[in-house]
Amino acid sequence: EAQVTQNPRYLITVTGKKLTVTCSQNMNHEYMSWYRQDPGLGLRQIYYSMNVEVTDKGDVPEGYKVSRKEKRNFPLILESPSPNQTSLYFCASSFSQVTEAFFGQGTRLTVV
Amino acid sequence: GIQVEQSPPDLILQEGANSTLRCNFSDSVNNLQWFHQNPWGQLINLFYIPSGTKQNGRLSATTVATERYSLLYISSSQTTDSGVYFCAVGWPGTYKYIFGTGTRLKVLA
Repeated sequence: EAQVTQNPRYLITVTGKKLTVTCSQNMNHEYMSWYRQDPGLGLRQIYYSMNVEVTDKGDVPEGYKVSRKEKRNFPLILESPSPNQTSLYFCASSFSQVTEAFFGQGTRLTVV
Repeated sequence: GIQVEQSPPDLILQEGANSTLRCNFSDSVNNLQWFHQNPWGQLINLFYIPSGTKQNGRLSATTVATERYSLLYISSSQTTDSGVYFCAVGWPGTYKYIFGTGTRLKVLA
């Protein structure tokens, strides 16, 4: 089944403790991206990647890192999480910028 | 930047009723999708529809790109249709979707 898989689905962590949210797609998509969803602010792009080893900042990249060492994986790294990074996170993938995007199930992160 | 507006913001229906959700965008787009966010937060793909008309069961969508709007039709609504409906657009030269503010739908049994 074609899908985008995020892990974990839920995470509660403490301020400053490094964490990684994994994202994997099995559709051989070139393009992957991360979004966060916050009440009143909607969904906003954090980072995107057009291909292996090619990444760029989205609208809200501060406090996040990404890497794209393999085509199928696009992990989101929070080196030192803070409470303002409490949010619902989505990974997405597509063949290109003009084709259908598929979203993961979401990761609900709480930083205390 | 491009603006994406959805209407109505909230909608309450009795089971079995029909509804139309609207998405207006302020500039030319080359990508448009409709999503349903269920009560568990998952974003479910409904339609990839940068132009034209598509149907999938009780749902259908139409995008008139030249007039910068898209419509999502829900017929014979069911309680499981409840949630938030988003349209999202992409436009030439960018690598992101801009999401609309959403329509929150509640279907009553």
